[in-house]
Amino acid sequence: EIVMTQAPLSVSVTPGESASMSCRSSKSLLYSNGITYVYWYLQKPGKSPQLLIYRMSNLASGVPDRFSGSGSETDFTLKISRVEAEDVGNYYCGQLLENPLTFGSGTKLEIK
Amino acid sequence: EVQLQQSGAELGKPGTSVKLSCKVSGYNIRNTYMYWVNQRPGKGLEWIGRIDPANGNTIYAEKFKTKATLTADTSSNTAYMQLSQLKSDDTAIYFCAIELGAPFDYWGQGVMVTVSS
Repeated sequence: EIVMTQAPLSVSVTPGESASMSCRSSKSLLYSNGITYVYWYLQKPGKSPQLLIYRMSNLASGVPDRFSGSGSETDFTLKISRVEAEDVGNYYCGQLLENPLTFGSGTKLEIK
Repeated sequence: EVQLQQSGAELGKPGTSVKLSCKVSGYNIRNTYMYWVNQRPGKGLEWIGRIDPANGNTIYAEKFKTKATLTADTSSNTAYMQLSQLKSDDTAIYFCAIELGAPFDYWGQGVMVTVSS
């Protein structure tokens, strides 16, 4: 199965500053159709996960454009510009290229 | 508005089974996949499997092939997951999710399953 590795384990950010986190897959997530099947989810404390980014760089509906995703075939980055208090939670990357679908262990974002 | 409403918390004894439900409103489940994911206490997300409610086809993660059974009732727009032979390791929150524009773009609220004698 494809292993997703996230770093750092946690990040502490001052409101208004930027944050970034990384995700690495054990196999290329670039499919022959040109789509890279990596997704980013945010799980706020006590809530269900919510989709932030799909197919590496596409912003999900209703997600502020402060969030952006980028990367290559195996290395991916989620950036949050102008972090707000409501961005606190655990961020997970996931690969939806092949079964079993797998997720990283998460990066926890905290506010200073 | 699309909503996924999951059934209430479950307390199951070791060796028994529980059946969880996920009722969808605002969208016909025939037109989507239904995914199930769990989250053990303090841990990350783990994919259990997926069902295509239109034809009942299922795919499971290897470790859940004998643990979970996914079904769907299109007449009530509801998906189900039965967990069998419960063990303490099955204690977790279980989420359902569907795919409209992208996989897992709508989630249920999650249901806590506690396995204890």
